[in-house]
Amino acid sequence: DGGITQSPKYLFRKEGQNVTLSCEQNLNHDAMYWYRQDPGQGLRLIYYSQIVNDFQKGDIAEGYSVSREKKESFPLTVTSAQKNPTAFYLCASSIPRGTGAYGYTFGSGTRLTVV
Amino acid sequence: AQKITQTQPGMFVQEKEAVTLDCTYDTSDPSYGLFWYKQPSSGEMIFLIYQGSYDQQNATEGRYSLNFQKARKSANLVISASQLGDSAMYFCAMSLKWSNFGNEKLTFGTGTRLTIIP
Repeated sequence: DGGITQSPKYLFRKEGQNVTLSCEQNLNHDAMYWYRQDPGQGLRLIYYSQIVNDFQKGDIAEGYSVSREKKESFPLTVTSAQKNPTAFYLCASSIPRGTGAYGYTFGSGTRLTVV
Repeated sequence: AQKITQTQPGMFVQEKEAVTLDCTYDTSDPSYGLFWYKQPSSGEMIFLIYQGSYDQQNATEGRYSLNFQKARKSANLVISASQLGDSAMYFCAMSLKWSNFGNEKLTFGTGTRLTIIP
């Protein structure tokens, strides 16, 4: 079955460390997204990408970096510059409206905790 | 700038009753999409229903319907005959085009926590 795989499900980071969250999709979707969710709040867009080797900053990109070397993969690195990284991170992908079964597919998320 | 507003942080509803979750949006773009997602405590985002800005009829999916009032910029979710399994967070989201490739990005509201009482 096609879908998005995020790993790991839980991640613990020490102060000052960089960590990378994995996001892999086998849906052949061009567009991919990273969202952050804080407790009791909605999702906020971190980065998004429409094609390989292209990505754009979202609303809260500071302290994060991404790469898009393959269509299937869109890893997110949480750097030490991100002062409050404890949150739930969701990866998503989509196809353009009008090109088929329009919609967004979400991964199951990674819960990052700073220890 | 685009914005989604959900004014009900939490709601308690008796089982088998209908419930309406409010959502208003703001955009100057004539072409947009409106989504509702359910998020149980596990964290996964479950797609419920979609309405395009040019769709003439309100969207329906089983027990879910979207009350789309374009002039008022509202897109309320109606759940008929609520069940205990409906207890979850519910998010309204709007999609707007951001690239010449036709891709769109979602902007989310802050959500409504729905609790169904037996």
